[in-house]
Parts: sequence; C-alpha cells; structure tokens
Amino acid sequence: DGGITQSPKYLFRKEGQNVTLSCEQNLNHDAMYWYRQDPGQGLRLIYYSQIVNDFQKGDIAEGYSVSREKKESFPLTVTSAQKNPTAFYLCASSTPDTDTQYFGPGTRLTVL
Amino acid sequence: QQQVKQSPQSLIVQKGGISIINCAYENTAFDYFPWYQQFPGKGPALLIAIRPDVSEKKEGRFTISFNKSAKQFSLHIMDSQPGDSATYFCAAKGGTGGFKTIFGAGTRLFVKA
Repeated sequence: DGGITQSPKYLFRKEGQNVTLSCEQNLNHDAMYWYRQDPGQGLRLIYYSQIVNDFQKGDIAEGYSVSREKKESFPLTVTSAQKNPTAFYLCASSTPDTDTQYFGPGTRLTVL
Repeated sequence: QQQVKQSPQSLIVQKGGISIINCAYENTAFDYFPWYQQFPGKGPALLIAIRPDVSEKKEGRFTISFNKSAKQFSLHIMDSQPGDSATYFCAAKGGTGGFKTIFGAGTRLFVKA
C-alpha cells in the first residue's frame, strides 16, 4: 500500500528537550511538507521541501528544524527553542503535476 | 492577502439536511481551491477541488460553488449523514504563494441522527 507514515502517534516531551518526528512516504513524491495544527487555527506550514537536499521555511519555522537526505524521508525536529510545541503535527507530500496534498495520520506532541 | 477566511467555525445539521460552508480569499492569483475532510485523530484527505474556470463542481453529494467576482467559494453537502461529521478545511493554492497551500481555519460539522 502506498502512503505516508508518521511515527510515533503520540509523543511526550519534557521542557527543554529536543524531539524528532518521523515522516516516511512511498508514493515517490518529490515534495514534502510539515504542518502544525492547533484548535481553531487550521493548518500552518512549518517547513517544506521540493526536492532532496533542499528545504524552505514556512510560516512558523522558528524553533523547528528539518532535513531531506532521502526522497522518502522528511523528519522534523522540535527544539527546545519552540515556546509552545504542544500540537498535532501533520506531514504531507505531493507531486509537481498535481496540487493535491496527501497527508499522514499525524503525531500528537505533548510537552509535560 | 494570502489568507483564506472560512465560516462558520462549527455547524450542526440534521440528518438529511444540507450543510453549507463558506470561504473567501483575497489573492486573485490563486488557481486551485480544494476542500479537505478530516476525521478526529486522522490526517486530512482531499474531498473535492475546483479551478477558477468553472463555477460549480459536483461529486456525489458534495458540490463546490465558486464565485470568482466575489472571491468566494463554498462547499455544499446534500443529504448530510452522521458519517459526514468531521472537520472541513477549504484551501487555496497558486499565485504569489506559489508552492504553498493556504488553509482556512476549519469548520467542525456535526450531523445529528
């Protein structure tokens, strides 16, 4: 089955710790995205990558970092610099010839 | 100018009724307007989408109406069912935003049985 997997589904972090969220896709899509979802605020773009070894900041990149070493993988690190990291994080991918985004099941991060 | 404004924030509809969700945008360069459906604890999935060269698109019980001059578009769910209860996001892509998809804030729909 082709799709996007995110792990873990739930993640708990203590204040001051960095944590990395995994996103893997086997759709052979070039572009990948990370969004943050908070109640009542829709989806806000954190980072996106159009091609391997290249990525750009989205609207709320502060306190986050990414890498894109493989086409299939786009991990997101939530650093201790992110002031309010508790949220639902969604990874997505798309191809250049379609505007549709395909989303993973999400990771819910809670800072204790 | 990159915002997409969505209303209402929440909606309760009786089974069999019509659910209507509205969105407005400012950037006239947007050229793709999708609607995504999200169930609790899941990622959003594309429901239906329209481009500005048509005024309406229908897929089963779901219809997008698009008003280019008013810069508004809406989702109509006919014969709403309890299984339609979900959060719906409108979005827009293209123009100066280019590669980015801009999402509305979402509408939580509850269909009463």
